[in-house]
Amino acid sequence: SAVISQKPSRDICQRGTSLTIQCQVDSQVTMMFWYRQQPGQSLTLIATANQGSEATYESGFVIDKFPISRPNLTFSTLTVSNMSPEDSSIYLCSVLGGSVRNGYTFGSGTRLTVV
Amino acid sequence: GQQLNQSPQSMFIQEGEDVSMNCTSSSIFNTWLWYKQDPGEGPVLLIALYKAGELTSNGRLTAQFGITRKDSFLNISASIPSDVGIYFCAGLAYSGAGSYQLTFGKGTKLSVIP
Repeated sequence: SAVISQKPSRDICQRGTSLTIQCQVDSQVTMMFWYRQQPGQSLTLIATANQGSEATYESGFVIDKFPISRPNLTFSTLTVSNMSPEDSSIYLCSVLGGSVRNGYTFGSGTRLTVV
Repeated sequence: GQQLNQSPQSMFIQEGEDVSMNCTSSSIFNTWLWYKQDPGEGPVLLIALYKAGELTSNGRLTAQFGITRKDSFLNISASIPSDVGIYFCAGLAYSGAGSYQLTFGKGTKLSVIP
């Protein structure tokens, strides 16, 4: 299965600032996914990042708040903009490994705390 | 959207005991996945189930894809301290045009008492 490197692993940020999270995959993948996991909660899909096109956002998430870049088939970034304490969560990138039968592989996550 | 009901929400067991957790849904899924998440880490895939009725084992873990395609269970036998973590079920459904939708349960937090 794919190996995902995600960074930073954690950060503490001031409200009103922005943080960009990077996700690097060791193989080319068509779709990359960004998830949010609020404290004690399950994973919620933010958006799907396709190379060469704009990301597709899920209901409740907008591009101005969570801009995504996908410059090539192995890399993506998610920016959390104009942060507030409510944005404190774990953010995870994920890829579909090879085929659907391999399931989704997740990065180790970025633990964000906004103060 | 699709929703998964995962239970129990949490459980405390003695080391050596068996554990069972399950997920149900009102929707049909093509694939059921079971993940484990350790503190500070992303979820790691434990078992994937691809067809109704399928029963699959991975060491001490056994999972089944329900006949109706709307449910799945995960059993852990002879629990050990390193089984501690949060277990998530996830249902994968084909949403058309070559894309899939992955829906997660709310997780089962497992604590093992030595």
